[in-house]
Amino acid sequence: AQSVTQLGSHVSVSEGALVLLRCNYSSSVPPYLFWYVQYPNQGLQLLLKYTSAATLVKGINGFEAEFKKSETSFHLTKPSAHMSDAAEYFCAVSESGGYNKLIFGAGTRLAVHP
Amino acid sequence: DAGVIQSPRHEVTEMGQEVTLRCKPISGHDYLFWYRQTMMRGLELLIYFNNNVPIDDSGMPEDRFSAKMPNASFSTLKIQPSEPRDSAVYFCASSFSLNSGGSHYEQYFGPGTRLTVT
Repeated sequence: AQSVTQLGSHVSVSEGALVLLRCNYSSSVPPYLFWYVQYPNQGLQLLLKYTSAATLVKGINGFEAEFKKSETSFHLTKPSAHMSDAAEYFCAVSESGGYNKLIFGAGTRLAVHP
Repeated sequence: DAGVIQSPRHEVTEMGQEVTLRCKPISGHDYLFWYRQTMMRGLELLIYFNNNVPIDDSGMPEDRFSAKMPNASFSTLKIQPSEPRDSAVYFCASSFSLNSGGSHYEQYFGPGTRLTVT
């Protein structure tokens, strides 16, 4: 069965520093992978997705993620953090079977300080 | 498109009362999902529908919870009777399948309903 592990429930960075949020997945079939962002008091918004095309995926707000099959990882990065990036980030993997179901990780709360 | 619409945005009710949460998915989407989010348990999938038919309700916590989708543009999640431990944010999401021209299971979330049961 598919699963997602997000390492670190809380990450804190300085404004302008590199953001790295870790996600490892388990899947018996080639997966589709997603990163969602949730700002306070809002729903989840798609940040980017991997769909078996390019392994380096670029998303909104300067974020990108790299699919590494050998490491079963899909880590999210941003070269320079901005205060507005403070939010909770969720990694998700599609479940096989064709039912559009996503398996979400526990989330990582990103804090950005001046 | 207006996106996924949920109502109400906030609901405060007393223990034992019936609560009904509503969702309007994005037009043309054939999948609809109900999630619950709490600090303790994170994001939990409660139930999902395909073409208005419930596919998997194994996440529904107990018989007090029920969900319906009478047509492609409307779904409800009902809690009867409500209890304080039901306090959470409830999200509805929709997507459309590859057969319908969808894009790799991407789900679109509504803004959520914040439920407080006192």
